[in-house]
Amino acid sequence: GQNIDQPTEMTATEGAIVQINCTYQTSGFNGLFWYQQHAGEAPTFLSYNVLDGLEEKGRFSSFLSRSKGYSYLLLKELQMKDSASYLCAVSDSNYQLIWGAGTKLIIKP
Amino acid sequence: GAVVSQHPSWVICKSGTSVKIECRSLDFQATTMFWYRQFPKQSLMLMATSNEGSKATYEQGVEKDKFLINHASLTLSTLTVTSAHPEDSSFYICSAMEGEPVNEQFFGPGTRLTVL
Repeated sequence: GQNIDQPTEMTATEGAIVQINCTYQTSGFNGLFWYQQHAGEAPTFLSYNVLDGLEEKGRFSSFLSRSKGYSYLLLKELQMKDSASYLCAVSDSNYQLIWGAGTKLIIKP
Repeated sequence: GAVVSQHPSWVICKSGTSVKIECRSLDFQATTMFWYRQFPKQSLMLMATSNEGSKATYEQGVEKDKFLINHASLTLSTLTVTSAHPEDSSFYICSAMEGEPVNEQFFGPGTRLTVL
C-alpha cells in the first residue's frame, strides 16, 4: 500500500531552526510537495521536489532523496506565524497526491 | 499566482437538506479539479477527481450518489452534498490543476459545512 509518514507534532523556539521529516512508500513517484496549513484554512504551497537535493526558498528549504524515500522541510529563523501544520504529499504514478497526516508545529517565544 | 475561489465559505443547514459548493478557477483554465474533505485534526482526504466535460472519479468509500460533482466548464466545478447529515459536517476544499502532468494544485479557501 501507499504510505506517508511524518511526526504528529513538533515544538521549537522562535528564532531557531526546525526540520520536519517525511518518509514515503508509493506506487511510482512524480514529485513531493510540502504545504503549510493554518488552522481552519486551506493548504498553501511551499515547495516541490522531483530531483534529489536541496531546494532553498527564503527561510524554507526542502530536501529529497528518492533512493531513501525521504524528504525534509527545514524552517530557519522561526517566527510565531510559522505555527501551523505542515503537510507532506507525494504525487504517485497516476499523478494523484498521497497525503501525509501532517505535522503540527508549535512555536514558543 | 493562480487563484481558486470557493463559495460559500461556510454554511449551516438542517439535516436532510442539500448543499451546493462552488469552486472556481479565476485566472486560469482548470482541466482537472479535486475535491477534498478534512475532519478536525486530520489530513486532507481526496473525495473525487473531476475533469471538465466528463464524469468524476470517486475514491473508494465515497458515495457518488450522495456527493454529486459537476465540472461543466474549465473554470467551474460544483459539489452537492445531498440529504446532508451531521456526520457530513466537515471542511470541504477544492483544488484545481492547469494542464498535465500535475506540478502544483491550487487550493480554494475551503467551505466549512455544519449540518444540524
